Amino acid sequence: QSVLTQPPSASGTPGQRVTISCSGSSSNIGSNYVYWYQQLPGTAPKLLIYRNSQRPSGVPDRFSGSKSGTSASLAISGLRSEDEADYYCAAWDDSLSGWVFGGGTKLTVL
Amino acid sequence: EVQLVESGGGLVQPGRSLRLSCAASGFTFDDYAMHWVRQAPGKGLEWVSGISWNSGTIGYADSVKGRFSISRDNAKNSLYLQMNSLRSEDTALYYCVRASAYSWRGGWIDYWGQGTLVTVSS
Repeated sequence: QSVLTQPPSASGTPGQRVTISCSGSSSNIGSNYVYWYQQLPGTAPKLLIYRNSQRPSGVPDRFSGSKSGTSASLAISGLRSEDEADYYCAAWDDSLSGWVFGGGTKLTVL
Repeated sequence: EVQLVESGGGLVQPGRSLRLSCAASGFTFDDYAMHWVRQAPGKGLEWVSGISWNSGTIGYADSVKGRFSISRDNAKNSLYLQMNSLRSEDTALYYCVRASAYSWRGGWIDYWGQGTLVTVSS
């Protein structure tokens, strides 16, 4: 069981806006930044969002992140077929003294 | 370009040992903390261990504490993971990852290698 909770799947049609949620607790999301990673099929994860809502250079502004209390969300607007991937949230956990991840959300573009 | 290349994975029997290596390039290795993160087949990501830039501080997940040992050689731009008393539940793809800070407790994970597969089975 993952420490952070994500829905196992999400879907949308091209051009739509999709959101993926990530729920944690006061020891992780509630007191630390949230990060999001994209894992395309057969590849290593790639940093998508850092410090809740910041995008690394090269990440399209179609991707956005937010955080409120002990939950966070990733939004993808103008959905494209190449966005089909697994998405993971992550945060530092003060109680565990380590990084914790969500179980991942498989995004399907219909 | 940041590159992290893992090696050393393979098939090993339960109870045996294995040592993973990660060769880093494209950045000043001793400016950054490093971690190992694993992914069991068809499963999510699990943080395994982290080490600060100068090996001064180290951390482990409870699931591997006492069995795994992380180390680094800054002169060789290399990160290692010594895995002892391996169990079937250690079967996973092991990723070498870079942190964005000196300390393994700070920053965030910003770059990932392609991973090396460890299979623990008799």
